[in-house]
Amino acid sequence: DAKTTQPTSMDCAEGRAANLPCNHSTISGNEYVYWYRQIHSQGPQYIIHGLKNNETNEMASLIITEDRKSSTLILPHATLRDTAVYYCIVSARSGGYQKVTFGTGTKLQVIP
Amino acid sequence: GAVVSQHPSWVICKSGTSVKIECRSLDFQATTMFWYRQFPKQSLMLMATSNEGSKATYEQGVEKDKFLINHASLTLSTLTVTSAHPEDSSFYICSARDMDYGYTFGSGTRLTVV
Repeated sequence: DAKTTQPTSMDCAEGRAANLPCNHSTISGNEYVYWYRQIHSQGPQYIIHGLKNNETNEMASLIITEDRKSSTLILPHATLRDTAVYYCIVSARSGGYQKVTFGTGTKLQVIP
Repeated sequence: GAVVSQHPSWVICKSGTSVKIECRSLDFQATTMFWYRQFPKQSLMLMATSNEGSKATYEQGVEKDKFLINHASLTLSTLTVTSAHPEDSSFYICSARDMDYGYTFGSGTRLTVV
């Protein structure tokens, strides 16, 4: 079973910030939060990951709550090309492999 | 960043034949790779975990004799769909464990069985 829950869908106006929430209340101390997105008929694309501090890269920002039970992915200026399904997953980065199971993800529709 | 190459991108095969899908890590070694399948408008479903030099671990409900996985080297895992039937038509995706980014995914293979 997936360890994360996300809203099924969201809309965002082009040029505005898109804030995608994710709940991971059973996250373990050594598990990271990863975000991926999948555009139709393609493999998931890595966006960002973090452990407990907020992270920012050229694509997005990741805000993780202090108790680490939830996080928010922020796309600062959404474009039409950001329309995709966004998946939040949790996984440890060390200590051998850990299989990753996907939840339903959030289908983000960016509206012109 | 890490790159995983998946081949072919799409394939059409006749019912009863077998199809092989390759997954290669191009610039890193992957002792562990994962295989997923995805039906239209659904999420990715993990099928199996492929370990270099050992047998794959299949998820419950996945037929190991139908979906043969071979991970013979640190950069290559293959999934063979044997005796394919129309219900096996799906989007198959592989991923590899990469210590920099966590998991890197291939571009997927669209299998259509006619």
